[in-house]
Amino acid sequence: GENVGLHLPTLSVQEGDNSIINCAYSNSASDYFIWYKQESGKGPQFIIDIRSNMDKRQGQRVTVLLNKTVKHLSLQIAATQPGDSAVYFCAEPGREYGNKLVFGAGTILRVKS
Amino acid sequence: DTEVTQTPKHLVMGMTNKKSLKCEQHMGHRAMYWYKQKAKKPPELMFVYSYEKLSINESVPSRFSPECPNSSLLNLHLHALQPEDSALYLCASSQVPTGTGGPQTFGSGTRLTVV
Repeated sequence: GENVGLHLPTLSVQEGDNSIINCAYSNSASDYFIWYKQESGKGPQFIIDIRSNMDKRQGQRVTVLLNKTVKHLSLQIAATQPGDSAVYFCAEPGREYGNKLVFGAGTILRVKS
Repeated sequence: DTEVTQTPKHLVMGMTNKKSLKCEQHMGHRAMYWYKQKAKKPPELMFVYSYEKLSINESVPSRFSPECPNSSLLNLHLHALQPEDSALYLCASSQVPTGTGGPQTFGSGTRLTVV
């Protein structure tokens, strides 16, 4: 079955450093991926998405990289700030399930000041 | 308006109570979703409405009853819940009811406690 998972459950970084959050997926037919940020007491917030016809996409301080060869996705956050502290989920609309969103387990990002 | 609004933000209910969670969006999205999220876990899909019709029910117990009165509103009726149903209930919407059509926009959720 489909599986979207994360390598590291918790990531601690110093303020100002860059953060990299990783995600692995198992379905080679997957063609759309989304990163969400969830702060304590809030719902998931869309950060950035990428389609499988791209290897890289940049937003404001964030970059998503997609390596289809090894079925790996990463979210890079530049100059990490205390406000970036949250749980980050990668997600994929599992094709088998229509428009069901399949989430990875999540990575906790802690930013140290 | 680019938000999904959920009410109430917090709800405490007894196991014999009947309550409803409400969700509203005015982005013209034609798909709406209910998710359940337990602490330190990702959201789990419960229901999907596409063009105001129920399209996916993830084998949710009948004590949870969804309703979509119109394209902007989504309700979740609760009855005879169990303490293990305590969780954060999230509503989301997307422009079209196809997975690759774009990201889902989430509300802030209702924190439900069943006593």
